[in-house]
Amino acid sequence: GAVVSQHPSRVICKSGTSVKIECRSLDFQATTMFWYRQFPKQSLMLMATSNEGSKATYEQGVEKDKFLINHASLTLSTLTVTSAHPEDSSFYICSARPGGASHLNEQFFGPGTRLTVL
Amino acid sequence: KQEVTQIPAALSVPEGENLVLNCSFTDSAIYNLQWFRQDPGKGLTSLLLIQSSQREQTSGRLNASLDKSSGRSTLYIAASQPGDSATYLCASSGSGNTPLVFGKGTRLSVIA
Repeated sequence: GAVVSQHPSRVICKSGTSVKIECRSLDFQATTMFWYRQFPKQSLMLMATSNEGSKATYEQGVEKDKFLINHASLTLSTLTVTSAHPEDSSFYICSARPGGASHLNEQFFGPGTRLTVL
Repeated sequence: KQEVTQIPAALSVPEGENLVLNCSFTDSAIYNLQWFRQDPGKGLTSLLLIQSSQREQTSGRLNASLDKSSGRSTLYIAASQPGDSATYLCASSGSGNTPLVFGKGTRLSVIA
């Protein structure tokens, strides 16, 4: 199946710093990528939908100025957590949906990034 | 707004047992339904995808069924093994670029 990578897999930072997480589709072009966060023993919560070449669509309650999303190419989307605070500590997962004539609407998920803000 | 529910929230079974995980959704106008597996601290692994026109999909010891009219899907695991222990998530998809809607998952423990 299609492969999606995330980098870094784990990051620890001090409160007030910014952290960038990369999501790459390795063997397909993704016109749409999605960013989720997951708290311990909870399900995935959609944060935003990222479309290549346009602004991301954020879910209600997600601060767009705090969680900056850039989808500059068909294989890369980045999520930047600005001025991170301990409550931003979470597991962040991206997914990618292949573009073109895909009739399945299948999404492929990255391995996740564990963010810990001290 | 689509809502996806998974029952039970947790399940513990002895090795070798066959088991069924349940998923229900409120809006039957889905495009497809996916089942995923998530190991602790890891990302999601896609197990099976059932298109709205299909009734079931099989992969090895896994069989997923879909009944759109009743808003239900099941994941059947045959001859369970300790390595099957994980959280299983189902998610429905609408058409176009709509995001997946996830259930809260079923945490499965298979005891050797």
